[in-house]
Amino acid sequence: AQKITQTQPGMFVQEKEAVTLDCTYDTSDPSYGLFWYKQPSSGEMIFLIYQGSYDQQNATEGRYSLNFQKARKSANLVISASQLGDSAMYFCAMREGRSGNTPLVFGKGTRLSVIA
Amino acid sequence: NAGVTQTPKFQVLKTGQSMTLQCAQDMNHNSMYWYRQDPGMGLRLIYYSASEGTTDKGEVPNGYNVSRLNKREFSLRLESAAPSQTSVYFCASSKRQRVISGANVLTFGAGSRLTVL
Repeated sequence: AQKITQTQPGMFVQEKEAVTLDCTYDTSDPSYGLFWYKQPSSGEMIFLIYQGSYDQQNATEGRYSLNFQKARKSANLVISASQLGDSAMYFCAMREGRSGNTPLVFGKGTRLSVIA
Repeated sequence: NAGVTQTPKFQVLKTGQSMTLQCAQDMNHNSMYWYRQDPGMGLRLIYYSASEGTTDKGEVPNGYNVSRLNKREFSLRLESAAPSQTSVYFCASSKRQRVISGANVLTFGAGSRLTVL
């Protein structure tokens, strides 16, 4: 079974609008972390935001916020006020356990295109 | 700081040839990882090294070997390259960011594009 599911292969959003990228996860470990990475066309992987399973509040980083719904096992990325530079692949990832040394498991990604 | 440096950036091999992808980090990170990225598949873990002196298999280890040479360097070797190993390879490293929840953020190299003919 897939541990990270991103159901939207591609999405379009108008510039300055908000967009939500979906991510659901599967784990039985009570301790886990959820990550979002951005991969622009240049290919590098850029860390955006992190949410821990015990965090009481949704994570926010500038225009990025994570809509964390623990009971539904979803960790959707919300990008507010989209910009042309937000066009990229976005990957959701999870680490299970508390040790912090276990690898991340990635979803297949969502390609976001921002339209002027 | 250079961060995570991968070499080479591009490589073309013939089936059966061998090669080593090199990775070095200068951030004093303990853990290092090798992922491969294929279209529509996301990133899949090949091998990782949680700390110097240890290595473990990931999701897709077949056809690869790794060496954690020291704390800074983690190499990936293809002994007999196959067309199925055509991919973009990413090395990454991580340090502990938050003590309680183990939020080790992975820092990635720029990637190495390998084509096996």
